[in-house]
Parts: sequence; structure tokens; C-alpha cells
Amino acid sequence: AQSVTQLDSHVSVSEGTPVLLRCNYSSSYSPSLFWYVQHPNKGLQLLLKYTSAATLVKGINGFEAEFKKSETSFHLTKPSAHMSDAAEYFCVVRGPRSSGSARQLTFGSGTQLTVLP
Amino acid sequence: ETGVTQTPRHLVMGMTNKKSLKCEQHLGHNAMYWYKQSAKKPLELMFVYNFKEQTENNSVPSRFSPECPNSSHLFLHLHTLQPEDSALYLCASSQAEPWRGGPDTQYFGPGTRLTVL
Repeated sequence: AQSVTQLDSHVSVSEGTPVLLRCNYSSSYSPSLFWYVQHPNKGLQLLLKYTSAATLVKGINGFEAEFKKSETSFHLTKPSAHMSDAAEYFCVVRGPRSSGSARQLTFGSGTQLTVLP
Repeated sequence: ETGVTQTPRHLVMGMTNKKSLKCEQHLGHNAMYWYKQSAKKPLELMFVYNFKEQTENNSVPSRFSPECPNSSHLFLHLHTLQPEDSALYLCASSQAEPWRGGPDTQYFGPGTRLTVL
């Protein structure tokens, strides 16, 4: 079974400062990991994904994440926060391949990012 | 724009009403999903349809009845709901290739905000 833990339920940064959203995963196999963002009253938008290629993954809007197997982590970072980054962020691990079935996603509990002017 | 649309965006219903949520994807995908997002809880997968066949039902009460008439459309029929069913219901789709294990990143719609009185 797989699981994902987002270590902070709320993160607050000032505009122009770096963003770090932490995620640790647990998986009995080589995982596929995602970060999704959800703006108020909107659906989830894919930021980036790791699927066993390069360990440093670049996503949209200047976000990136690094897969660290030794630490079982997949933290999301951005060098400089923008007001429009304020949203809820979800770390997600994808389930194992299952014959005849689409793979399931397991979501973390989310991190609410606040960006202060 | 993710290519997944949901209607209605907001729905208020009484406990004795019958209503339906609709999801449509314009991405040519063959897997579709219903998720429930309640306040302060991780996203919960409800149903998975793969090539129009239901492949997952995560112990969802029978007052929720999904229907997938084709690979582009997914419905969630609601009947005699409870106030605790109030939540954001998200639809997602992916290109699932279960026998070849191809990429199946899930793309989400904006959700239907359901309130049960």
C-alpha cells in the first residue's frame, strides 16, 4: 500500500521569498508522484509529476520538486513566491499497476499556502 | 483549461430530492473518476470507470449511483442524501492503458459544490 504525508497544513511566506512545501511518501514499489494545486472554488491542476525519469522535476509556474529516494521525500519548491501562488497544494502518489484497472491516486491532506504582500 | 467540465457547479438539494451530477471530458481519455472532497479531509476516491466499465467502488453508499454511458461522459446520480454528503465532488479523467501501463495522469474538472439541507 502507498501513503503520502504533507508535513505542514499551512505555510505562509512573503511575496518574493522562497516556497517549500514538504511531502513524504511511503510505497512498497517505485512510486509515481505528483503535485496538484487547487485555487479557491476551482478543480485540481497538475503542477508536475515524477515517473522514475530525472529526479529533479520542473513544473508549471516556476515550481519544481526533487525526488529523494533515501529520504522518501518529494518536496515542492519555488524560488520566489507570487501572490497568485496562494492556493492549496496536494502531494499525490499513484497506485501500482493493476491489470484491467486504471491506477488510483492517494492524496495527501493538503498544504494551504498563504502569500503575504 | 483542463478539458474536463462539470455541471452544475453548485447544487443545493433536500434530503428527499433526486439529482444528477454530470462530467464530460474532451481529452479522448478512456478512464474517468469521481472523487469527494470534504472539508479538512483528503480527497476520497469514490468510483473508477475504465473503458466504460466500473472497476473500483470504494465502499460508497448506494445513495450514490454512477453511470458511464460512454468514455466521454460520467454521471453521479444522487438520491436521499444526508447532510454529511455535502462536499465538493470532483471528476477526473485519464488515458489509462492498463495492459501496456501507459501514462495516465489524471486531469480534474472544476467540481460541483453540493449542499444537502
